[in-house]
Amino acid sequence: KNQVEQSPQSLIILEGKNCTLQCNYTVSPFSNLRWYKQDTGRGPVSLTIMTFSENTKSNGRYTATLDADTKQSSLHITASQLSDSASYICVVSANRFGGYNKLIFGAGTRLAVHP
Amino acid sequence: DGGITQSPKYLFRKEGQNVTLSCEQNLNHDAMYWYRQDPGQGLRLIYYSQIVNDFQKGDIAEGYSVSREKKESFPLTVTSAQKNPTAFYLCASSMVGGAGTEAFFGQGTRLTVV
Repeated sequence: KNQVEQSPQSLIILEGKNCTLQCNYTVSPFSNLRWYKQDTGRGPVSLTIMTFSENTKSNGRYTATLDADTKQSSLHITASQLSDSASYICVVSANRFGGYNKLIFGAGTRLAVHP
Repeated sequence: DGGITQSPKYLFRKEGQNVTLSCEQNLNHDAMYWYRQDPGQGLRLIYYSQIVNDFQKGDIAEGYSVSREKKESFPLTVTSAQKNPTAFYLCASSMVGGAGTEAFFGQGTRLTVV
C-alpha cells in the first residue's frame, strides 16, 4: 500500500533556531517527492521537488534531502522565522501508465515558531 | 496574473442540499484535481481530469460529481449523498506527465454543513 508518514506531528521551536522534519514513504513506482508549505486556511505552496536522481535541493532557508534507497526524506529549516509557522506536507508521486502521476500526501508536520 | 482560483472561500450547506465549488485556472494546464482535507489527515483525491470532457474517480468519489467542459474550469458538486461533507476542499492543476511535474493549488474552499 502506498503510504507517506511524517514526523513529528507537531513541533515548537524558538525564532532563529533550526529544525528538521522527516518523511518516510512506501510508494512504488516512485516518480518524485515534493515538500509543500501550507499556511492555515490556504492552499499548499511548493518548496522543493526532487526526482529519483537528486539527493538534495535548496530553496532559500529550506533544504530537502532524499535517500531513495531507504525511502526517506527530510526538510531542514535554517534560522527559523515567525512566518515559517505552518504545516509542512511531504508528497510522493507514483508514476502511472498514461502520464498521470498519482500524488500520495503525508498528514503534515505542524510547525510553530515562537519569538 | 497566472494562477488557480477557487470560490467561494467559505460555503455553508444545509442538510440535503447540493452545492457547487468553483475552480478556474489560467495556467494552460491539462490536468486538474480535487482534494479533500480533514484535520490530522493527508489530502485525499476526490476526482481528477487529464483532458477536457474526461474525468476519473479518485479514492473518495462517492457523494461528489464533477464536469470538465472547458480546459480552464473543473467545478465540484457536493451532493446530498455525501454524508460528511464538512471539510476543506482544494483544487489543483498540473501539466500531464513527466517526473518533474508540479501541482499548483488554489486557496481552498471551506465547506460547513449547518
